[in-house]
Amino acid sequence: NAGVTQTPKFRILKIGQSMTLQCAQDMNHNYMYWYRQDPGMGLKLIYYSVGAGITDKGEVPNGYNVSRSTTEDFPLRLELAAPSQTSVYFCASRGGGDGEKLFFGSGTQLSVL
Amino acid sequence: KNQVEQSPQSLIILEGKNCTLQCNYTVSPFSNLRWYKQDTGRGPVSLTIMTFSENTKSNGRYTATLDADTKQSSLHITASQLSDSASYICVVLITGGGNKLTFGTGTQLKVEL
Repeated sequence: NAGVTQTPKFRILKIGQSMTLQCAQDMNHNYMYWYRQDPGMGLKLIYYSVGAGITDKGEVPNGYNVSRSTTEDFPLRLELAAPSQTSVYFCASRGGGDGEKLFFGSGTQLSVL
Repeated sequence: KNQVEQSPQSLIILEGKNCTLQCNYTVSPFSNLRWYKQDTGRGPVSLTIMTFSENTKSNGRYTATLDADTKQSSLHITASQLSDSASYICVVLITGGGNKLTFGTGTQLKVEL
């Protein structure tokens, strides 16, 4: 299993640009999450999904959108990038035989200039 | 104020030595407490998960303890290795409300020769 795969690893955006952060998992997990990690802060939940077709907001959803058309994929969309969205983004999943254990991707470092 | 506080913020120890990291939490109702290891530039990796009824759980050289009465947890690392250099994050799962995870800001551990 590849686990949780995130792309791209790094990206620089100009203010106002849009982009999609990709996340895919091959563990047949129902639950998927998007977090952001800012320096000196704990991870903050942006959006999560409990299964295909079902998504919900987390703590910091403003400026982001998600979709979950398949069990495997959970892309995160930034529509109008702002400097405040400069952060490291992590996708995670859990479910199936892995129970409560959360599996993280390796992250996307995003800078908005 | 973060509801999961970790100490120390950073720590440097010599290879082969033991160390203990602390986590105090105020979140409730509490479902389980997790410790994650995050290497630089990588996503967090699960070390232990403890429910409120468990006092201790081990994973190799890592041993986590939990006192649900005082709302304190510790992570003890035995016979440290250079590869233990990482950030160690304490995470608490709140029961209900979408099963929200609250992350600490982590303890940055450096193991030196």
